[in-house]
Amino acid sequence: GNSVTQMEGPVTLSEEAFLTINCTYTATGYPSLFWYVQYPGEGLQLLLKATKADDKGSNKGFEATYRKETTSFHLEKGSVQVSDSAVYFCALSSNTGNQFYFGTGTSLTVIP
Amino acid sequence: DSGVTQTPKHLITATGQRVTLRCSPRSGDLSVYWYQQSLDQGLQFLIQYYNGEERAKGNILERFSAQQFPDLHSELNLSSLELGDSALYFCASSVDGVFGNTIYFGEGSWLTVV
Repeated sequence: GNSVTQMEGPVTLSEEAFLTINCTYTATGYPSLFWYVQYPGEGLQLLLKATKADDKGSNKGFEATYRKETTSFHLEKGSVQVSDSAVYFCALSSNTGNQFYFGTGTSLTVIP
Repeated sequence: DSGVTQTPKHLITATGQRVTLRCSPRSGDLSVYWYQQSLDQGLQFLIQYYNGEERAKGNILERFSAQQFPDLHSELNLSSLELGDSALYFCASSVDGVFGNTIYFGEGSWLTVV
């Protein structure tokens, strides 16, 4: 079956620290991979995506590389800001009807 | 603003009651998804529609039902409500439900069952 596992939170970092949020997946076939972000009181927003192996998605200083050999899609940012405080969800889209499977979310708090 | 509109934003109702949540997808999107987000279970996929037809079903209870209308808006009906149904219900839409396409989320409907 399809599933996503992401690191437990919450994560607390100081401003300008390096961020890594781990995400691994299990999928039949070749899924597309996504990171969504949920700011307080809002819906989920697409942060970045990658549709095939070795693709790198990037946006707003965040990056993630689709690693088929390790079935991973870890989210990284070199220097976090207070405004990055949010919950981050890793997700995969199966190649059967575009069903999305989400991880449990990782809460990030960045302190000044 | 994702372009996905959900109403109502907040709803408080009693156990045993029935509610309807409404979703208008982004202009041009044919596929609608419903998700339930609760503290203990995370984000759970409920059901997906494409152009009026049910395409996929997830962890949707028998007390819940949904439909997508000819104008592509969708409704999620929750009946015989229980305290455990209190959650944030999200609607999302995508262009055509095709593999790899991004889905866009509304801001959610907060349901509190008392």
